[in-house]
Amino acid sequence: GAVVSQHPSWVICKSGTSVKIECRSLDFQATTMFWYRQFPKQSLMLMATSNEGSKATYEQGVEKDKFLINHASLTLSTLTVTSAHPEDSSFYICSAIRGRGHRQPQHFGDGTRLSIL
Amino acid sequence: ILNVEQSPQSLHVQEGDSTNFTCSFPSSNFYALHWYRWETAKSPEALFVMTLNGDEKKKGRISATLNTKEGYSYLYIKGSQPEDSATYLCAFLDSNYQLIWGAGTKLIIKP
Repeated sequence: GAVVSQHPSWVICKSGTSVKIECRSLDFQATTMFWYRQFPKQSLMLMATSNEGSKATYEQGVEKDKFLINHASLTLSTLTVTSAHPEDSSFYICSAIRGRGHRQPQHFGDGTRLSIL
Repeated sequence: ILNVEQSPQSLHVQEGDSTNFTCSFPSSNFYALHWYRWETAKSPEALFVMTLNGDEKKKGRISATLNTKEGYSYLYIKGSQPEDSATYLCAFLDSNYQLIWGAGTKLIIKP
C-alpha cells in the first residue's frame, strides 16, 4: 500500500512553455503532499507543502507565481512550472503523507526530470 | 540555520560485510528523524521514523539508533547484500514541522 504516482517522468520542452506535473496517491487519501526539487549531487530541497482544499505553503525563496501548486482533491496535487526557462531544469519529486501528522513517513513518486531548451 | 549532515558521502563495502553511517542534526527543537532508502531509478522508500531519544529500530538486516541529546543517528546494515546498494537519506523534523534533508550517503556493495 501507499503508492504515489508522478507523471510525466521526463519532459523536454522549449523555453517559455508551461509544464504541469501531477502527483497522485493511488491507494490512500493524502491531506498533505510535498514538492521537492533536487539539483545534481545535492539533497532534496523542499519547495512547498500542498494542503488539500487550501493554499500551498511555499518555502523561502520559492516563487509562488512561478511554481503554481493545486491540491484540488485528496488524491491529486499538481505543480505547474510557468513560463519555464533553462534554469528551471531540474529533478522534481513529490511525496504524500498517509494520515495526519508530520511524523508519518512520506511516500514518494518516481520524480520528473524537466529539461528546458 | 538548521543543518543536517550525513557522512560519509559515499561508501564502498564488500558483500557480506557490515557497515554503518551517520546522520547529524541539531540537538534542539527535535521532533522526529526520518531515514529513507533511494535506489537508482526508483522512488525513495521510508525505512524508519524515530522520535524518542535512545530509540532503536530494526527492519531485517537494517537497524537505526537515535541520540537526540547529541544530535546524531546511526544506520547499520548487517551482512551487506548487492540489493542494499542505494543512497540513504535522513531528514530532521523540528518542532516547527520544518523538515531538513541530508545530502545522503551513497552505498555501493561490491560483489
